[in-house]
Amino acid sequence: DIQMTQSPSSLSASVGDRVTITCRASQNIYSFLNWYQQKPGRSPKLLIFAASTLQTGVPPRFSASGSGTEFILTISSLQPEDFATYYCQQSYNTPRSTFGGGTRVEIK
Amino acid sequence: EVQLVESGGGVVRPGGSLRLSCATSGFNFDDYDFTWVRQGPGKGLEWVSSINWNGGRTTYADSVKGRFTISRDSAEKSLYLQMNSLGVEDTALYYCARHRRQVVEGYHYYYMDVWGRGATVTVSS
Repeated sequence: DIQMTQSPSSLSASVGDRVTITCRASQNIYSFLNWYQQKPGRSPKLLIFAASTLQTGVPPRFSASGSGTEFILTISSLQPEDFATYYCQQSYNTPRSTFGGGTRVEIK
Repeated sequence: EVQLVESGGGVVRPGGSLRLSCATSGFNFDDYDFTWVRQGPGKGLEWVSSINWNGGRTTYADSVKGRFTISRDSAEKSLYLQMNSLGVEDTALYYCARHRRQVVEGYHYYYMDVWGRGATVTVSS
């Protein structure tokens, strides 16, 4: 099975900060990588698919890059509504996908 | 409006069974694959099972294989997850999600673009 490792597991940041989250795959997954945002008590929401394609309706302050085994999610200017947990997910082995452990973004 | 609504969750004793349902609306059910994803209390997301558009291909996580069965009903536009031999480790919020496929430069990219609110399953003696 492909293992997905996110870092950090949590971070504290202020409104307006630039935030980066890293996701590493245990093997080459090319660009088969998705990012989701989950707010407390809510279901996950797709942000980005195919490593860097923004889902319709997602604000452009979110961006992502990477291929192979290392991927990055960037929030260019953190907004109050962005405080949430972020998950990466590999879709290389679809339907047998795996998620990263999550990165919780908290208010500093 | 595109919607997925789970039901059927509850409290069950270890070794017991439950059947989750996921009612869909607002899109053509037969065009999509679907997935169940679960989230244990305070834990991350775990893929559980998937079914393709016509029900001809089902896939399970090793942790549930042989105990859980995924199915779908086109007439009811619903997805199901039959869960048997439940253990405390199966306690979680179970989400159904629609699988979307997009072809980019000849490659098929899959992602879960619509999620339900989840159904809570608690296994406890």
